[in-house]
This record gives sequence, C-alpha cells and structure tokens, in this order.
Amino acid sequence: AQSVTQLGSHVSVSEGALVLLRCNYSSSVPPYLFWYVQYPNQGLQLLLKYTTGATLVKGINGFEAEFKKSETSFHLTKPSAHMSDAAEYFCAVMAGGSQGNLIFGKGTKLSVKP
Amino acid sequence: EAGVAQSPRYKIIEKRQSVAFWCNPISGHATLYWYQQILGQGPKLLIQFQNNGVVDDSQLPKDRFSAERLKGVDSTLKIQPAKLEDSAVYLCASSSLTSGGVSKNIQYFGAGTRLSVL
Repeated sequence: AQSVTQLGSHVSVSEGALVLLRCNYSSSVPPYLFWYVQYPNQGLQLLLKYTTGATLVKGINGFEAEFKKSETSFHLTKPSAHMSDAAEYFCAVMAGGSQGNLIFGKGTKLSVKP
Repeated sequence: EAGVAQSPRYKIIEKRQSVAFWCNPISGHATLYWYQQILGQGPKLLIQFQNNGVVDDSQLPKDRFSAERLKGVDSTLKIQPAKLEDSAVYLCASSSLTSGGVSKNIQYFGAGTRLSVL
C-alpha cells in the first residue's frame, strides 16, 4: 500500500527566506508524486508533479521538488518566500496506475512573516 | 477552459437529514473523483468514476453515502442520513487521458462544498 508522510504540520518562515516542506512516501511501485497548494476556501491547485525522467522538477510560482528514490523523499523548496505563498501544501502519491486516485499527506500549513 | 464546478459551496444540516452535492467536471474529462477532506487532514478518496462506471468505491460508506454519474458527465454525491462526523469539505476532481492514450496524470479540483452537520 502507498502512503505519504509530511513532516511538520505548520512551518513558519520570514519573507525572503528559504521554504522547505518535507514529504516522504512509501510505494511498492515506481511512484507518481505531486505537490498541491490550497488557499483558504479554495480547491487544490497543482504545483508540480514527478512521473518519470528528470528527478528535479520545477513547478509554478518558483517552487521545485527533487525526487530522491534512495531517501523515499520528495521535498518541496522555494529559494525566497513571498507573502502570497502562505497556504496549505499537500504532498500526494498516485495509487497504482496512471489514472489512480491520489493518496494525500496530512498537509503542511505555511506561514510567511513580513 | 472552465474548471471543475461544484455546488453548493456551503451547506448546514441537522444530523439524520439528507444532503446532495453536485459536480460538473472539465469538459471531456472521463475520470471523476469525489474526495472527503476533514479539517486538519488531507483529502481522502470516496469514489472514482471512469465515464459512468465506478472504478473504486472501496472507501465509500455505502450504508449512508451514494454517488452517481449517469451520463458520464455530471455527478452527484448524496449522504442519507448524515452524521456529525460527516462534517468536512467534499472535493470533486476530474482528469483525462490524452488522445494518444498517455495519461496526463493531473487531477483538477473544484472549490469544494463545505458541509457542517449539527
């Protein structure tokens, strides 16, 4: 069975500081991995995804994530936080198959201090 | 391209009442998902449709929850009777296969329906 663990339910950074949100996964098959962002009272928006190929994946709004098979990790980073990045971030792994459902972590709420 | 539409946005009901949610996926998307997101948790799949057929409903509490997608487009999710623990946001998502048969692997989410059961 596949699962996702997000370390830290709440992360706080200063504006301009590095953002690092941690995600570890468990999968018996090569994983498809995703990061979604959720702003208050809105649905989830895809930030980036990893399926195959290059392990460093670039997404929208300056975010990127690196797939590390040896560490079973897919951490999300952004070099410089902006106030508009404050939101909840979810890491997800796709259940078996390319049209499988998503298995989400519990989410990490990012706060950005001025 | 219009996104996934859901209604209503908010619903407050008493326990033991019934409620229904509606979802209109992105045009042409064959796969439709319903997720339940309880406060402080990530979304959890309730049911997945491929066109008008059910692919996975293993986590749907079938004694009280039902869902249908009669013409392979719109879908409704119903709860009858509702319990306090059903208070959550219900998210609908859709995805498609490219014309070449290679999945885009991307699920597009609606804004959700926030249900409060009192």
